[in-house]
Formats: sequence, C-alpha cells, structure tokens
Amino acid sequence: SYELTQPPSVSVSPGQTARITCSADALPKQYAYWYQRKPGQAPVLMIYKDTKRPSGIPERFSGSSSGTTVTLTISGVQAEDEAEYFCQSADITGTYVTFGGGTKLTVL
Amino acid sequence: QVQLQESGPGLVKPSQTLSLTCIVSGGSIISDGYYWSWIRQHPGKGLEWIGYIYHSGATYYHPSLQSRVGISVDTSNNRFSLNLRSVTAADTAVYYCARLFWSDHYFDSWGQGSLVTVSS
Repeated sequence: SYELTQPPSVSVSPGQTARITCSADALPKQYAYWYQRKPGQAPVLMIYKDTKRPSGIPERFSGSSSGTTVTLTISGVQAEDEAEYFCQSADITGTYVTFGGGTKLTVL
Repeated sequence: QVQLQESGPGLVKPSQTLSLTCIVSGGSIISDGYYWSWIRQHPGKGLEWIGYIYHSGATYYHPSLQSRVGISVDTSNNRFSLNLRSVTAADTAVYYCARLFWSDHYFDSWGQGSLVTVSS
C-alpha cells in the first residue's frame, strides 16, 4: 500500500511560519492535497495538486513539493489556524486514496 | 454549495452491520465527475478511506475492507449509503461522507462526521 508520513505535531508562536511535511514511501509520487480539520467541523480542502490554493483559502497557506515530500507552509500563523492537518494522495492508478496520519498544529 | 450530512445509529453491536446514510443537498448526486465517498477516523488516528461510488453504481473499495463493505447510491433521493458487515470494536470511528472530484482526485465537500461505537 502507499503510505504517507506526517509529523504528529508542530508548534509555533503567532506570526511565525509553520511547515508541515508529508512524505511518500514510494515513487512515483502522485499529487498531494491538504485538509484542515477543527474539532467538530468538517475537513476543509486547503491545497490541491501540491501547490494550488482553492478560492477562499487565505494566501498565508501555500504548498510545495520536492522529491517524495510535500510541505504545507502557513506564513504568519494565526490563532485560528490551530487545527489538525491531513495530507492525501492516491496510488499509481489514481484509484485508491490514502491519507497521512495527521499533524496537530498548536499555536502557542 | 453542496452539503453532506451523515445519519445513522451511533451504537452497533459486535458482529452486526454498521449502516450509515449520507444525504446530499445543494447539488445533484448524478453530477458528472464526482464520486461519493466514505472515510473514517479511528480515535486518535489518521483518516482512512473506505470507498466511493459513482452515480452509475460503479464502486471502489479499500482493499483491506473490501470483503465487508458495501456502498450504494439512491439517485431518486439524492443520497448514498455505507454498510459494513461483521463489525468489531476496531470499527469504532468517526465516519465521514465526502464528495470526490475525480479528475483532480480531491475531496471538495465533507459531512460533519458521525461517531459510531461498536460495543455490546
């Protein structure tokens, strides 16, 4: 199966930059997607196709890709960004979906 | 904007069948290019994709669940359903329904999630 690995937690102070990584265990890497999930709320798509930001998502959220690792960067972190973030991708056929284990972002 | 809402029992006994329904509003379940999906999150764990269905009835399931899972679609009532047979405590999770945009393979709308506990 296709595995995605995320750090369990990341902590930053307000105004700092948070970087959350997602590493694939195999090549070739498919596109990655990032979701934000706050307690009791539905997940929200934050980044698609590695780097694209859906309309309505603040510009401080960005995505990048290098080799088998994708990164979600939150510049100028705000208290409201405290949430769990999941990466998602698909297998080589594009049929089967896989998620990372999730990263809890804490704003100190 | 399409909205999804899960419904179903919050408690299921071991060995029985877990059944959930997702009601779709604000959009048609027969829209081309979208698959209707079930995803779950075990307590303290990451998300696990269960499977998805197209309005035609075509389905794809997670290989580890394929022998126990069934997803069906009711186009007349704009809803789709999940059946998971022979459940155990390991199936205790928050179950989400979501819409997958097939061409770019991301989930663009999610339900709030429904906690299902498997316990006698």
